Amino acid sequence: KQEVTQIPAALSVPEGENLVLNCSFTDSAIYNLQWFRQDPGKGLTSLLLIQSSQREQTSGRLNASLDKSSGRSTLYIAASQPGDSATYLCAVRPLETSGSRLTFGEGTQLTVNP
Amino acid sequence: GAGVSQSPRYKVAKRGQDVALRCDPISGHVSLFWYQQALGQGPEFLTYFQNEAQLDKSGLPSDRFFAERPEGSVSTLKIQRTQQEDSAVYLCASSLVVAGGSYEQYFGPGTRLTVT
Repeated sequence: KQEVTQIPAALSVPEGENLVLNCSFTDSAIYNLQWFRQDPGKGLTSLLLIQSSQREQTSGRLNASLDKSSGRSTLYIAASQPGDSATYLCAVRPLETSGSRLTFGEGTQLTVNP
Repeated sequence: GAGVSQSPRYKVAKRGQDVALRCDPISGHVSLFWYQQALGQGPEFLTYFQNEAQLDKSGLPSDRFFAERPEGSVSTLKIQRTQQEDSAVYLCASSLVVAGGSYEQYFGPGTRLTVT
C-alpha cells in the first residue's frame, strides 16, 4: 500500500526566505506526482505536476523535483511572500489505469511572516 | 463551467439524518473522484467513476455511503444516518482521460459537513 509522508508538518519563516518542502513515498511505481496548495476552507489548487519520466518542473518561484527511485520529491519556494502562507500537499498517482486514485500526504502548513 | 463546482459548500446535519452532496465536474471530463478530508489530514480516496460507471468504491468507509453518476456528468455522494465521525470536507475532482496524458485531477472547493 502506497504511503506518502511530508516533512515538516509545519513551517514558519520570515518573508524573503527560500524554503524546501519534502515529500516521500514508499512505492516508486508511480505515474506522476502533484503538488497542491490549500488555503483555509478552500479546495485544492494544483501547483505543479511531474510525470514519472521527468526530474523537475518549474512555475514562477516554484520548483518541484522528483527522484522516483528513492521515493522523494521536493518543492522549492524562492523568495517567500506572506501570500504563500497555506498548506502544501503532495500526491502520487500509481502506475495503473487512467482512473487511479491519488494518495496524499498530510501536508505541510506554511506560514510566511511579514 | 470553468471549474469543478460543489454544493452545498457547508452542511450541518443532526446525527442520524441523511445528506446528499453534489458535484458538477468540468465539462467533458470523463473521470470523477470523491475524496474525504478530515481536519488536519490529507484527502483520502472514496470512490471513482468513469462516465456513469463506478469503477472503484473501495474507499467508501461503510455501507452508509453511496455515490452515483447516472448520466456520466453530475455526481451525488449520499450519506445515510450520518454519524459524528462523518464530519469532514468532501472534495470532488475530475480529469480528462487521454492516452499518454497527464490525467491531472482538478478539484472543487469542497463541501464541509458538520454532524452535530
